[in-house]
Amino acid sequence: KNQVEQSPQSLIILEGKNCTLQCNYTVSPFSNLRWYKQDTGRGPVSLTIMTFSENTKSNGRYTATLDADTKQSSLHITASQLSDSASYICVVRGGGADGLTFGKGTHLIIQP
Amino acid sequence: DTEVTQTPKHLVMGMTNKKSLKCEQHMGHRAMYWYKQKAKKPPELMFVYSYEKLSINESVPSRFSPECPNSSLLNLHLHALQPEDSALYLCASSQVADTDTQYFGPGTRLTVL
Repeated sequence: KNQVEQSPQSLIILEGKNCTLQCNYTVSPFSNLRWYKQDTGRGPVSLTIMTFSENTKSNGRYTATLDADTKQSSLHITASQLSDSASYICVVRGGGADGLTFGKGTHLIIQP
Repeated sequence: DTEVTQTPKHLVMGMTNKKSLKCEQHMGHRAMYWYKQKAKKPPELMFVYSYEKLSINESVPSRFSPECPNSSLLNLHLHALQPEDSALYLCASSQVADTDTQYFGPGTRLTVL
């Protein structure tokens, strides 16, 4: 069964600190993995998309890594800001009716 | 323009009402999607339209009726909803149904009384 597991479920850190969110998947066949940021009550916004051959991709203070052998991805946020408070959803293409399998997300809270 | 717009932002309706959600994109995308999202859960796919034709219906109850009048517009007609249908309804689009990036709209927050 295609699954995407994210950890931690929730995370609270102080403004200015770094953090890393994890995503493990069992989706097969694998096409790509993307990270979305979703503010409460808003639609998800794409942060990064990574294919099988990509190990690292950055978008400003966000850096995603992918290890296709171990089927793990991480999202590292550097120098966190209050506006980073949101849910971060890992989505893998390769399974599901629309080809996408969604993780349940990590709820991140940045405290001043 | 990389924006997907949705109206209304908020909707409150009774169980006997008929209402519609609207979604619009002008990126030339030929695939459009409806998702339902409950609090603290990931989005759940409801419908996929590809080239204005319904290609996927994820066993959604008939009280939800999608419509794609043209390649830029997607509607979701609502009738006789239940309180458990209260959720954030998200529209998304992509170049075609099998390609990578989906662009999501801001969603419509629906409350059924």
